[in-house]
Order: sequence, then C-alpha cells, then structure tokens
Amino acid sequence: GENVEQHPSTLSVQEGDSAVIKCTYSDSASNYFPWYKQELGKRPQLIIDIRSNVGEKKDQRIAVTLNKTAKHFSLHITETQPEDSAVYFCAASWDGANNLFFGTGTRLTVIP
Amino acid sequence: SAVISQKPSRDICQRGTSLTIQCQVDSQVTMMFWYRQQPGQSLTLIATANQGSEATYESGFVIDKFPISRPNLTFSTLTVSNMSPEDSSIYLCSAQPTDREAFFGQGTRLTVV
Repeated sequence: GENVEQHPSTLSVQEGDSAVIKCTYSDSASNYFPWYKQELGKRPQLIIDIRSNVGEKKDQRIAVTLNKTAKHFSLHITETQPEDSAVYFCAASWDGANNLFFGTGTRLTVIP
Repeated sequence: SAVISQKPSRDICQRGTSLTIQCQVDSQVTMMFWYRQQPGQSLTLIATANQGSEATYESGFVIDKFPISRPNLTFSTLTVSNMSPEDSSIYLCSAQPTDREAFFGQGTRLTVV
C-alpha cells in the first residue's frame, strides 16, 4: 500500500516568514495529493490539493508543488500569520483507491 | 461539499463497556470512513463503511472490536466494544462525496477509565 512520509514534524517560524512542509510517497500510481489543516480540537479541513497533471497550484498565500518523478510534494505558506498555526497533514491517493493515505503531520507555530 | 455531524463530541466510559459513535451526512455519499487519531498524531484508518455490506477493516482492526453499521448513504455508526484505556483516542468519521476531497466530522474524544 501507499506510504506517505512528512517532514518536519514541528516547525516554528516568525510571523511574515515562509513555511515549507514536505511529503514523499511510495506508490507511483498516486495522482491526488491534498493538504489538510487541523486546528487544536477541530476537524481536519482541506486547504489545497493538486493532481498529477499539474506541477504547481497556488491559492493566495498557499501553494503546493508536485514532483512526480521524485515522488514528493510540498506545501508552501508565505507571509505566515498567527492564525496559520495548526497541524498540517499531507495525503495521497489514486483513482480507484477508496481512502486517503495521510502523512504523520507537521505542527506549525507562527510566532507573532 | 458535505456537512457531517458526529456525536457524541466526547465521552468518558468505564472499561469493559461499549460506546457507539454516530455520523450523519447532509447528502448521500458513496464512501464513508472511520479514523482514529491519538492526540498529536496522524489519522489512522480503521475501516471503510460500505453501504449494504460489511465494513472493510484495515490491518490491526477487527469487526468484533469495532463493529460498523452503514444502513444508508447518509449515516454510519462505529462501536468501540469492550473498551480498555488503550482505546482512549479521538475517533473521526469521514465522507468523500465527490472525486477525492474528504470531509470530516468534528470528532469524538473518548476517554476510558
């Protein structure tokens, strides 16, 4: 099955700086890569996703890049704000798979 | 999108008892899942709740311990049976109504004493 690894496990940045979280996956059949944000005590919520037919996708301060050859994808948050503080999970899946395979999570802290 | 209501939001239970968690979706969805999340950790898939047939369990999870019902396309339950302190965790249901995006319930924080 799919194995998704995520780094770093914790990340602290100063407000206004950028944050980058990286994930690798094992199954070359994977073609869908979402990112979820989970605030303390709340449910995970999708913030951005990318499919394997594109290499990069951007939504305001958030961007995701995908390198299918190397089997890794990254989340980039620019101009970080304290409300970006949360745990971020990457995931991978493929057509025909029923469920998402989640990474281990990154706890991001944005220091005011 | 899908709105998922999960209850209870939290419970404290005695060891040896069982707790049933309910998950209601505001629209019909083909795929529903149950996850366990230890505090500060990732989501571990327990099983896929199949409508009209038995749930499909992941390695390490068995039907006797985590029976699941899926009577229709908008509802599912997960029962944690014969609980022990090791079952203390957050349990989340999830639904995927369209191509890939998953929506989550608010979670059930279970403490077994």
